[in-house]
Amino acid sequence: ETAVFQTPNYHVTQVGNEVSFNCKQTLGHDTMYWYKQDSKKLLKIMFSYNNKQLIVNETVPRRFSPQSSDKAHLNLRIKSVEPEDSAVYLCASSPDWGGLQDTQYFGPGTRLLVL
Amino acid sequence: GDSVTQTEGQVALSEEDFLTIHCNYSASGYPALFWYVQYPGEGPQFLFRASRDKEKGSSRGFEATYDKGTTSFHLRKASVQESDSAVYYCALGDRCGSSGNKLIFGIGTLLSVKP
Repeated sequence: ETAVFQTPNYHVTQVGNEVSFNCKQTLGHDTMYWYKQDSKKLLKIMFSYNNKQLIVNETVPRRFSPQSSDKAHLNLRIKSVEPEDSAVYLCASSPDWGGLQDTQYFGPGTRLLVL
Repeated sequence: GDSVTQTEGQVALSEEDFLTIHCNYSASGYPALFWYVQYPGEGPQFLFRASRDKEKGSSRGFEATYDKGTTSFHLRKASVQESDSAVYYCALGDRCGSSGNKLIFGIGTLLSVKP
């Protein structure tokens, strides 16, 4: 099956803890992304990445960082979570880098709840 | 910066009703336009896209026409079904850094279809 896979589905943690979410795509794509979906269902880009370049949305706090071992994997680490980090984190991939017409394919998301 | 406006936050219809969800965009360049659909507990799914003026995208009975003059990409379906109940997002493909791309999403429209 070719798709975008995310683990875990759901994670509950305390303020100040470190968390890490995994994303793997088997579509053979070159570019991967992380988006944040808040409680109002608003979707915003956090990172765009391929093996050449990392683009960070300027509004993303520095406690967030992407980690990649190869072009099929892009994990997300949050160093010290805060209550406002509670959201659904969506991973996506697309075939190319720089193509405005490129379709992005999303995983099912990881829901984070910070107590 | 570039933006997408969806005017309807929620739409409630009965089966076989006609659907219109309005989407207008603001962009300095010539973006690609997309519609995504998100079912509960899943990530957004690509529905279709268009990248040129007057181009029509379509899938599963849904369609939209890229209109550069009115900066619009309205989603329409002639006869909705209960299974169409979901959140619909209009998005545009925008530059991200020197060569990457990102999707800018509208706020989403929750469609509820009664049998």
